[in-house]
Amino acid sequence: SAVISQKPSRDICQRGTSLTIQCQVDSQVTMMFWYRQQPGQSLTLIATANQGSEATYESGFVIDKFPISRPNLTFSTLTVSNMSPEDSSIYLCSVELGGTEAFFGQGTRLTVV
Amino acid sequence: GDSVTQMEGPVTLSEEAFLTINCTYTATGYPSLFWYVQYPGEGLQLLLKATKADDKGSNKGFEATYRKETTSFHLEKGSVQVSDSAVYFCALARRDSSYKLIFGSGTRLLVRP
Repeated sequence: SAVISQKPSRDICQRGTSLTIQCQVDSQVTMMFWYRQQPGQSLTLIATANQGSEATYESGFVIDKFPISRPNLTFSTLTVSNMSPEDSSIYLCSVELGGTEAFFGQGTRLTVV
Repeated sequence: GDSVTQMEGPVTLSEEAFLTINCTYTATGYPSLFWYVQYPGEGLQLLLKATKADDKGSNKGFEATYRKETTSFHLEKGSVQVSDSAVYFCALARRDSSYKLIFGSGTRLLVRP
């Protein structure tokens, strides 16, 4: 299994500012995934982050809005830039281990006011 | 594209009642199928999974069988408890997508004493 730590667990931010969310895994993983869960809705994949290369973004998400870093095999960050109230969501980091199962962090609950 | 459809909630049951949450999927090839659970205020946890047709995943009294002919993966439990109150997500992962997950909309279950 994998233990995934996300920071911060929650934050309230002013519109127009940016927030960087950190994800730390207790083992080395090739791919890390970032998801968004808007209030009362399901999870949507934002991007896939490989170590040493640029992240791959899903349709509807762009690097300027959600820049991602992946400096090593156990760590990644997601930045939510120029925030608006529509960005209020839970953001979750996920990793896949052994090709059989995905593990999730506890999530970061973001409220933009 | 690939998708997952779940029955809408909320589902309200009395303790010890039988639970079924329907899930059907659309995908090319042979995806892996998952049920995740999100307890109030917590992150996602894998409940059970099945990786090929006719596999049955089971955990904590919950079961789901991978039915290729009906493209379904319904979640069942014979006797629910108050502690089962949570949101349940059906998800699929295509083998050629490095386990990027596609989630259903989620079904909220409320079990009353």
